[in-house]
Amino acid sequence: AQSVTQLDSHVSVSEGTPVLLRCNYSSSYSPSLFWYVQHPNKGLQLLLKYTSAATLVKGINGFEAEFKKSETSFHLTKPSAHMSDAAEYFCVVTFFSGGYNKLIFGAGTRLAVHP
Amino acid sequence: SAVISQKPSRDICQRGTSLTIQCQVDSQVTMMFWYRQQPGQSLTLIATANQGSEATYESGFVIDKFPISRPNLTFSTLTVSNMSPEDSSIYLCSVTSGVLYNEQFFGPGTRLTVL
Repeated sequence: AQSVTQLDSHVSVSEGTPVLLRCNYSSSYSPSLFWYVQHPNKGLQLLLKYTSAATLVKGINGFEAEFKKSETSFHLTKPSAHMSDAAEYFCVVTFFSGGYNKLIFGAGTRLAVHP
Repeated sequence: SAVISQKPSRDICQRGTSLTIQCQVDSQVTMMFWYRQQPGQSLTLIATANQGSEATYESGFVIDKFPISRPNLTFSTLTVSNMSPEDSSIYLCSVTSGVLYNEQFFGPGTRLTVL
């Protein structure tokens, strides 16, 4: 069965410091993985995706994630946090059923960025 | 990527009434999805809607409570019927994009409050 666990419900960093949001997945086959971001009162935006190509995936706004099969992890990182990065982040794994891919969302990590 | 709009953006409703949410996409898509995001929670898939066929509901969701229409390749509606305060959530529609039907793009959501 497919599942995804976001290890931190809240992460707080200072502006200009690195960001690490942790995600572990469980999948019975080679998964596709995504990170989505949800800013307050706004819709979901795709940050980046892994679909069995390069294991280090670069996304928008300076974010990147590394797929580590041995650790079943897909952690999201950014070298230097910006105030505008404050948002809710969701790690997502796909689940193939009924002829198409469904998305399974993690519980989310709320990122706070302090001056 | 697809541009998705939803109407209404928010509403406050009385218990026992019904609300129909509209989802419009700027391009033709095969699959549309409806999600619920309860306050402070992650997203849960309600159902998948393909044009020309009945929607497929996830466990815990039934057609009598959440009837869905999909009259063409750019439009869908979700009705929340006989509402109770527990239905207060953000409701989002999404569409797949690309050959792999892998990633999904989300509408801005409809914030529903039931009194």
